[in-house]
Amino acid sequence: SQQGEEDPQALSIQEGENATMNCSYKTSINNLQWYRQNSGRGLVHLILIRSNEREKHSGRLRVTLDTSKKSSSLLITASRAADTASYFCATGSEKLVFGKGTKLTVNP
Amino acid sequence: KAGVTQTPRYLIKTRGQQVTLSCSPISGHRSVSWYQQTPGQGLQFLFEYFSETQRNKGNFPGRFSGRQFSNSRSEMNVSTLELGDSALYLCASSFYLGVITNYGYTFGSGTRLTVV
Repeated sequence: SQQGEEDPQALSIQEGENATMNCSYKTSINNLQWYRQNSGRGLVHLILIRSNEREKHSGRLRVTLDTSKKSSSLLITASRAADTASYFCATGSEKLVFGKGTKLTVNP
Repeated sequence: KAGVTQTPRYLIKTRGQQVTLSCSPISGHRSVSWYQQTPGQGLQFLFEYFSETQRNKGNFPGRFSGRQFSNSRSEMNVSTLELGDSALYLCASSFYLGVITNYGYTFGSGTRLTVV
């Protein structure tokens, strides 16, 4: 079963705009991760936020975590065409439970 | 250092056959886990191995099995293939079992299995 549910399922924006993706999960967590997947290839780890953290930054990425609402958001600022990919949130440690992902298209 | 290597990249098999997929983790990583990705079910955990022992298993039938060797390389096997087994199979490695560092898991590029 899916722990996380991303929203929206698909997002299309212009280069330079910001992209925001949301993730909701069901049970308590120790950490939440975001991964990127380019067109059916492997997953690339983007960022991990622990349950005692509220916000984390990495380059153009900003992740927030609200454990009271069991939700997280991933913001990509100043998006580029190369950011076109599917983005997944994942919870768990020994086994990851993924959401269904947000498919982001950045148009040049 | 080299990443996680999965072989083969693509595979076409016939219903009823069996298949073996291989995964070489990052050097020094002792935990290897496998995931199945399909358009309908998304990414689902298959199993995880640590020091040659299966530590966790997902909700898949017994046709799906795996093993890990002393050098941490892992294989997964699917017997009596069904059309629904067509998927991207991803392998991930990490240094510790159950301990997530800020670097998360490192995934391979996957094996695309098509069952006809």
